[in-house]
Amino acid sequence: DSGVTQTPKHLITATGQRVTLRCSPRSGDLSVYWYQQSLDQGLQFLIQYYNGEERAKGNILERFSAQQFPDLHSELNLSSLELGDSALYFCASSVAPRGNEQFFGPGTRLTVL
Amino acid sequence: AQKITQTQPGMFVQEKEAVTLDCTYDTSDPSYGLFWYKQPSSGEMIFLIYQGSYDQQNATEGRYSLNFQKARKSANLVISASQLGDSAMYFCAMTRSDISNFGNEKLTFGTGTRLTIIP
Repeated sequence: DSGVTQTPKHLITATGQRVTLRCSPRSGDLSVYWYQQSLDQGLQFLIQYYNGEERAKGNILERFSAQQFPDLHSELNLSSLELGDSALYFCASSVAPRGNEQFFGPGTRLTVL
Repeated sequence: AQKITQTQPGMFVQEKEAVTLDCTYDTSDPSYGLFWYKQPSSGEMIFLIYQGSYDQQNATEGRYSLNFQKARKSANLVISASQLGDSAMYFCAMTRSDISNFGNEKLTFGTGTRLTIIP
């Protein structure tokens, strides 16, 4: 158990819908990262937050947004869902500034029908 | 830009044998970190081992060791005495800054190697 929690574990929804994925980092970790793992794209970085502020952005679609709250949990919002958004979405957290070992949550498997 | 290359899509290894999973990387950054993660069929990503670009010695964690050859830009994972539970996908990844510097950067992943341990 990495100490990072993600909810829900599975999510099945229809095209055009909007969903919210939630992540709670390990106790004491200030950085939260979101990654998408799909069959065709592999593991890709989406976005990083550090202590409530957006720190880095990857290949995140405009239909996707995220935020990190004062209690450091983070949410990833996916809207106008398409079939191609079906993937495993991981949240990871790390301690800063001591180091950058990232520990992953169990992931949320999103299926868009 | 950083790039990770894992050239072995799949490997089959006899139980109790040692196995080496290849990883080469490309970066122009002077300071970086290298990671290996294991992803079993259940889907979670398990952190295995870390190597900083300025570390003088190769990292070891139990049965895992990282064979870091900076000049060749390679960071191979060695698993000694393989076990059936080692069957999984293995990903090599890197970040732009190493553990001694602030700058928690994104992980760039390779495509992974599927390791199957044969009894």
